[in-house]
Amino acid sequence: GENVEQHPSTLSVQEGDSAVIKCTYSDSASNYFPWYKQELGKRPQLIIDIRSNVGEKKDQRIAVTLNKTAKHFSLHITETQPEDSAVYFCAASKSNNNDMRFGAGTRLTVKP
Amino acid sequence: DAGITQSPRHKVTETGTPVTLRCHQTENHRYMYWYRQDPGHGLRLIHYSYGVKDTDKGEVSDGYSVSRSKTEDFLLTLESATSSQTSVYFCAISDSRGSNNSPLHFGNGTRLTVT
Repeated sequence: GENVEQHPSTLSVQEGDSAVIKCTYSDSASNYFPWYKQELGKRPQLIIDIRSNVGEKKDQRIAVTLNKTAKHFSLHITETQPEDSAVYFCAASKSNNNDMRFGAGTRLTVKP
Repeated sequence: DAGITQSPRHKVTETGTPVTLRCHQTENHRYMYWYRQDPGHGLRLIHYSYGVKDTDKGEVSDGYSVSRSKTEDFLLTLESATSSQTSVYFCAISDSRGSNNSPLHFGNGTRLTVT
């Protein structure tokens, strides 16, 4: 089955700096790659997703890039703010959500 | 926010007792899922449902059963709770159609402690 690895497990940046979280996946048939943000004690919430027919997607300060050949995708957060502090999860799935696999998560801390 | 309610929010139970967690949605979404979240493991799928009375196993289904008698309700049962089932359980829903994935929307979670 699909295996998703996520790095780093923890990331600390200064407010205003950029943060990058990387994920690799094993199944070349995977075609949907969402990213979730989970604040302490809260539920995971979708922040951005990308499908395999595009290489990059942006939404304000957040962007995701996908390299299908290398089977990795990354989350980029620019101009980080303290409220960006949370755990971020990447995931990968094929034809439907039943086979979705999540990375282990990255705890991002943005220091003011 | 997607209309998903999980109950209870917190539960402490003893080893060997049965436990049922409930997920209720008001979105009329076809797909419902139960995940568990443990440190270092992200979110792992326990069981999912693709319609009333249609369910299947996920990645970590041993020791769990589910039922879906109505579109809006998806129950997760631990027949005989063990300490390894201490976790945070999340219900999720999606409106996936055909081969196009759609995002998962999660409930607020149930923190289960088995002593």
